[in-house]
Amino acid sequence: DSGVTQTPKHLITATGQRVTLRCSPRSGDLSVYWYQQSLDQGLQFLIQYYNGEERAKGNILERFSAQQFPDLHSELNLSSLELGDSALYFCASSLQERRDTIYFGEGSWLTVV
Amino acid sequence: GNSVTQMEGPVTLSEEAFLTINCTYTATGYPSLFWYVQYPGEGLQLLLKATKADDKGSNKGFEATYRKETTSFHLEKGSVQVSDSAVYFCALRGDYGGSQGNLIFGKGTKLSVKP
Repeated sequence: DSGVTQTPKHLITATGQRVTLRCSPRSGDLSVYWYQQSLDQGLQFLIQYYNGEERAKGNILERFSAQQFPDLHSELNLSSLELGDSALYFCASSLQERRDTIYFGEGSWLTVV
Repeated sequence: GNSVTQMEGPVTLSEEAFLTINCTYTATGYPSLFWYVQYPGEGLQLLLKATKADDKGSNKGFEATYRKETTSFHLEKGSVQVSDSAVYFCALRGDYGGSQGNLIFGKGTKLSVKP
């Protein structure tokens, strides 16, 4: 158990809908990351927050947004969903912004039908 | 930019065989290097790490040495078990630059160990 908690574990939704994925980082960790894992794209970095502020953006679509709240939990919002958004979405956390170990949650499986 | 290249799988071995999964990287500065493992149906787990040149990371019988001269971080295990069947990801985390916080992953290598 990494200490990173993600909900929901599984989600099935229709095209065009909007979903929110939630992440609680390890106790004390200030930095949160979101990754997407799909069969064709591998592990793609989406976005990083540190202590509530956005720090880095990767291949995150405009239809997707995220935020980190004052209690350090984070949410990833996915809207106007398409079939191709079906993937495993990982949240991860670390104490620092750089160099130290990043710990991953078990992921949220999203299926868009 | 920074990148990671690891050998493509799948790799199929018999129990007790020797394992090597090659990983090379391109990065400026002095990145930290990691191996993560993903067991079937599970999330990513840190397997081992090395933060500077010549460091050796080790865990559960797996080892990898940070070789700056060859920009490599190959994963090895002397005797694999069926329970080692999983997908292994090599990753780096840069020490400067706009996206220094995030991990950059290789494509993953699927290992299957047969009894």
